[in-house]
Amino acid sequence: SQQGEEDPQALSIQEGENATMNCSYKTSINNLQWYRQNSGRGLVHLILIRSNEREKHSGRLRVTLDTSKKSSSLLITASRAADTASYFCATAALYNNNDMRFGAGTRLTVKP
Amino acid sequence: DAMVIQNPRYQVTQFGKPVTLSCSQTLNHNVMYWYQQKSSQAPKLLFHYYDKDFNNEADTPDNFQSRRPNTSFCFLDIRSPGLGDAAMYLCATNSPQGGQPQHFGDGTRLSIL
Repeated sequence: SQQGEEDPQALSIQEGENATMNCSYKTSINNLQWYRQNSGRGLVHLILIRSNEREKHSGRLRVTLDTSKKSSSLLITASRAADTASYFCATAALYNNNDMRFGAGTRLTVKP
Repeated sequence: DAMVIQNPRYQVTQFGKPVTLSCSQTLNHNVMYWYQQKSSQAPKLLFHYYDKDFNNEADTPDNFQSRRPNTSFCFLDIRSPGLGDAAMYLCATNSPQGGQPQHFGDGTRLSIL
C-alpha cells in the first residue's frame, strides 16, 4: 500500500526557477529516498536521507527531512527543461529496509 | 551499461491469456522487487524476494505469481490477465545492507486486448 503523500501533484515553472516538492508519510522510517521518472521509463534514484539526518545536498538538489512532522521536501534549484519528469518519494520501513513505499509523485514541468 | 534489464519493453496479450515478464540483474543484489504502476500513480509493490525468500504483499491478487530461479533472474507470471492488469511493471533490485537505493529497470508496459 502507498505510504507517502506528495504535493503538489503537478508543478509548472520556468527554466531557472526553483522547484519545491513535498512528501508526507505515516509511519516510522529508516530512511527516505527521492526518485525521478521520465515518461515511460524506470525510476532513477536521486538522493537518500537517513532518519537521523535533517538535510542533504547533491548538486542542484537539496532534501530536508523532519521526522517529527513526518515530512520531507525536495528542492531543485536553477531548474532546466531537462528536469521535466515525475518525482517520487519513497520510505524504507524502520525495521525492514526492504519494505519500500512510494508516494503518488509530483509531475514537474519546466518550460524553456 | 544497463544493470537491471526487463524484457520485453512492451507486451501485448489477450484477456485471460497467461503472460510472463522477465527481469535480470548484473548487480548480484540479494533483493528483487516487482512493482505495478498505473498511469500517473505511484509504483505499487506486488512482492519481493530476499534471496529465495518470497514476500507477497497482502493485497497482491492471486492472479500474480513470481519465480526467482537464481540471483540474476526474476519472473512475473500473470495467470489470467484482466483489463485492469494493464500497467507498467517495474523490476528493481537492492542490496540488503541498511538503507540502500533501489535500482530499477525501464519496465515492461503490458497491454491487454
